[in-house]
Parts: sequence; C-alpha cells; structure tokens
Amino acid sequence: DIIMTQTPLSSPVTLGQPASISCRSSQSLVHSDGNTYLTWLQQRPGQPPRLLIYRISNRFSGVPDRFSGSGAGTDFTLKISRVEAEDVGVYYCTQSTQFPRTFGQGTKVEIK
Amino acid sequence: QVQLVESGGGVVQPGRSLRLSCAASGFTFSNYVMHWVRQAPGKGLEWVAVIWYDGSNKYYADSVKGRFTISRDNSKNTLYLEMSSLRVEDTAVYYCARTDGLDYWGQGTLVTVSS
Repeated sequence: DIIMTQTPLSSPVTLGQPASISCRSSQSLVHSDGNTYLTWLQQRPGQPPRLLIYRISNRFSGVPDRFSGSGAGTDFTLKISRVEAEDVGVYYCTQSTQFPRTFGQGTKVEIK
Repeated sequence: QVQLVESGGGVVQPGRSLRLSCAASGFTFSNYVMHWVRQAPGKGLEWVAVIWYDGSNKYYADSVKGRFTISRDNSKNTLYLEMSSLRVEDTAVYYCARTDGLDYWGQGTLVTVSS
C-alpha cells in the first residue's frame, strides 16, 4: 500500500498569513497513463470532506484561488496564500494512482 | 445540483449485519465510479470500497474484504454497502463519494457497533 505522510499535523496560523501543508507518498504517484492522481480535501468542523484540488494542482469548481497545489512524484504541497476564518478545518491528501486508495493523517489548520 | 444522501446507519451489535444506501441525484449516476469512505469518531478518513460504473469491478480495503459488499442499482440511482460480521472497529461515519476525484460527498451516516 502507498503510505501518505502529511506535515505538520497541526498548523496554527494568523488570519491573513499564508499556510503550507506537505504530503509525501511512499512511492511515486505517477500513473501508467502519465497522470499523477494526488488530491487535496478540506473538512470543516462537523462537515463532510470537500474536494479542493485534484491531479496535484487543479482547483475544483468554486474553490477560491488562494488555494494552490504543487509538486511531483512523491512530494506535494498545498498552500493557502492568505488564511481566512472559513479555512479552519482538517486537510487531507489522498492518492488514487493505485488501489487501495490511501489518505494522509490529516493536518488541522486553526487560527492563532 | 449533485446530491448524495446516505441512509441506513444505526446501532448494531457485533457480529450482526447492516445495509447502507446512498441515493444519488443531479447527475447521470450510471456514468460514474462510486466510493465508500469511512471516518471513525475523531479520526481520519479511511477508504472502504469502490465500484465501477456498471458494477463490473469492485475493490475493497483489506480491513473489510470478505465482510462488506459494495453494489449499485443504476435503475434506482442508488449505491449500497452490505456490511456483515460487524466489529466494534467498524464504528464510523460512512460517506459515499463520486468518482475517483471524490468530487462530491454525502453528509454521511453513522454506524455504531456496540454490545
């Protein structure tokens, strides 16, 4: 199984300041079709997860442009350029390159 | 708009069975791969199972293989998860989610396995 490791597990951030979350996979996420199936999800308190970013860097419909994804191979990053109050929650990276699908442990973003 | 509504959760004793449903609307259900993902209380996300558009392929997490069965009825726009031999560690909120991008999720249904 591919192990997804996120750092940090907790990220206290000042409103308006940037935040960054790292996700590392135990093996390359490049699929045989050439795509890299790395996804970022956001889960606000008491809510189901919500898709933010797919295939490393593509923002899903309605996702603010302060969210961006980057990376390649085994190292990926989610950045929030200026954290807003509504960004509080837990962020997960997940891979769908190979079964079983696996998730990172989650990174909790909270306001200082 | 895309909507996924799970149902069927509840309290069940260890060793018993339960069937979850996920009613889909707002899109052509038969065109999409569908997943079940669960989340134990206060824990992270765990993928459970996936089913192909036409039900031709199914894959399971090792933790549920042989005990859970994913299925779908495209004529009813409904996804199912048949859970048997339930264990205390299966206690979780169960979500259905659309396609490999997990682009839409339901609100979840809570399954509590307890004696």
